[in-house]
Amino acid sequence: DAMVIQNPRYQVTQFGKPVTLSCSQTLNHNVMYWYQQKSSQAPKLLFHYYDKDFNNEADTPDNFQSRRPNTSFCFLDIRSPGLGDAAMYLCATSRPDGNTEAFFGQGTRLTVV
Amino acid sequence: ILNVEQSPQSLHVQEGDSTNFTCSFPSSNFYALHWYRWETAKSPEALFVMTLNGDEKKKGRISATLNTKEGYSYLYIKGSQPEDSATYLCASDTSGTYKYIFGTGTRLKVLA
Repeated sequence: DAMVIQNPRYQVTQFGKPVTLSCSQTLNHNVMYWYQQKSSQAPKLLFHYYDKDFNNEADTPDNFQSRRPNTSFCFLDIRSPGLGDAAMYLCATSRPDGNTEAFFGQGTRLTVV
Repeated sequence: ILNVEQSPQSLHVQEGDSTNFTCSFPSSNFYALHWYRWETAKSPEALFVMTLNGDEKKKGRISATLNTKEGYSYLYIKGSQPEDSATYLCASDTSGTYKYIFGTGTRLKVLA
């Protein structure tokens, strides 16, 4: 059974129209991450939560926001998507220890038209 | 090395061939190195988490080695099978921050 679930798998949004991607987990992990992967590039960390503590990467655009209402759910909000935001968005969870593996969802492929 | 780098970018091998890829990562403040396999339309799945210099890990036909002093890890696949076709990602955790910095991956295609 999937332990990290992302919805939707595919999302098409209009240029400038706010969009929300969702992630849920059944692992009860403290840490949740959002990664952005553009074609042939490395997954890039946007931000992560340790419980309710939000940690933004310095180069993450302000256009990207996140919410974590409880342990199980985390949302990625893109306030005004541009064409350059088209990418695969991966959610992952882990315990707060680099010694242990991260668990990923299947990703949401975002298209901006 | 400041980033995580992987080579080659892509690879085609025949069924039965053995192959290997490289992951280079910053050696200063090293904490852990992860390998993931990402099959099309599926979630990335952990293969190995490695922390000690000289560490060698094995899972079936896949094995990995780690050199933290020089900042590289090798992933080996013995007797490649079509089901090994996937993108293999490595990720580095520096200073135990549990923030994983990924390489671009090696895309492996095993031809039957």
